[in-house]
Amino acid sequence: AQKITQTQPGMFVQEKEAVTLDCTYDTSDQSYGLFWYKQPSSGEMIFLIYQGSYDEQNATEGRYSLNFQKARKSANLVISASQLGDSAMYFCAMRADTGRRALTFGSGTRLQVQP
Amino acid sequence: DADVTQTPRNRITKTGKRIMLECSQTKGHDRMYWYRQDPGLGLRLIYYSFDVKDINKGEISDGYSVSRQAQAKFSLSLESAIPNQTALYFCATSDFTGTTGELFFGEGSRLTVL
Repeated sequence: AQKITQTQPGMFVQEKEAVTLDCTYDTSDQSYGLFWYKQPSSGEMIFLIYQGSYDEQNATEGRYSLNFQKARKSANLVISASQLGDSAMYFCAMRADTGRRALTFGSGTRLQVQP
Repeated sequence: DADVTQTPRNRITKTGKRIMLECSQTKGHDRMYWYRQDPGLGLRLIYYSFDVKDINKGEISDGYSVSRQAQAKFSLSLESAIPNQTALYFCATSDFTGTTGELFFGEGSRLTVL
């Protein structure tokens, strides 16, 4: 079974600073994918970034980067130069690449960016 | 128009009523999903379908049923709604052919059961 743990229910960050949102996962699969989604107050789910378990480089997408530490089973999201529009819920998710699997989500972290 | 469309967007119903949430997509994806979001619990998988003849239960399927009427349509039914089914429901699609397989979500259907 897959499990995602996000231990930070809420985080605050000052505008223009960097912030790290924690995510740990548990799986017995060797090949899997890790995802981060953003949910603003309007409610839609926005895909941010993906990391494959065999990718040697950490994924980056603009101001988002994924700090992937496979041995520690962690996939933390780093947002650089925070903006007010980054205030949202952030969800970590994973999916095994083998078998008939769907994404499993963590409980989320609410990020508030302060001016 | 949105690629993944959910109807209704908001619904208030009473305990015991039957309710259907509908989802249609124009992305051409084979895989469709229904998730439920509750505060503090994240998104939990209700049902998923990898093609029209392939329906699978997720972790919280009790009290729900689904129908995959066509590749583009996947509906979720609550046969006899109860208050603890009050939640935000998301339909999503994915394409697992040579891509990351990320989910594309609809805008959500907020259901309140009184």
